Amino acid sequence: DSGVTQTPKHLITATGQRVTLRCSPRSGDLSVYWYQQSLDQGLQFLIQYYNGEERAKGNILERFSAQQFPDLHSELNLSSLELGDSALYFCASTGTGDTEAFFGQGTRLTVV
Amino acid sequence: GQQLNQSPQSMFIQEGEDVSMNCTSSSIFNTWLWYKQEPGEGPVLLIALYKAGELTSNGRLTAQFGITRKDSFLNISASIPSDVGIYFCAGLEIQGAQKLVFGQGTRLTINP
Repeated sequence: DSGVTQTPKHLITATGQRVTLRCSPRSGDLSVYWYQQSLDQGLQFLIQYYNGEERAKGNILERFSAQQFPDLHSELNLSSLELGDSALYFCASTGTGDTEAFFGQGTRLTVV
Repeated sequence: GQQLNQSPQSMFIQEGEDVSMNCTSSSIFNTWLWYKQEPGEGPVLLIALYKAGELTSNGRLTAQFGITRKDSFLNISASIPSDVGIYFCAGLEIQGAQKLVFGQGTRLTINP
């Protein structure tokens, strides 16, 4: 168990809908990263938050947004969903030194 | 966003063989991480490297942080069936906002 919790584990929704994925980092970790992994692909960096503030942005679509709350959990919001958004979404957290990122089990999103 | 060059993309080996994979980048990193991902699971951290030239072992796994800070390799000795999975390297950028950058992964298949 990495200590990073993601919910839900599976999500099936229709095109055009909006979903929210949740991530609780390891206790004490201030940094949360979000990644998208399409079938048989690598990990595409989406966005990073550090102590409530956006720190780095990767290949994140405008239809996607994220935030980190005062209790350090983070949510990734995906709207106007398309079939191509079907993927595994992972979050990872790191401690103060920003090293040794630990991953959650991921949320498998299926858009139908 | 930047992606590390990880090779090979896939490997098919016999049980008992040694495995070697590597990652290269045009950027300098101050931390290299190696992860293993099994189907439907989140990546699990195997080895973390913090200093140029550092050689670190974890059981049958050995990884090295390249002297130039732009590359790293992972070796697995005497492979066993449970080594099957996708192995990812990750580098922590030191320029600008820190973020983890991942390689595309090496898919390891082992024939018993």
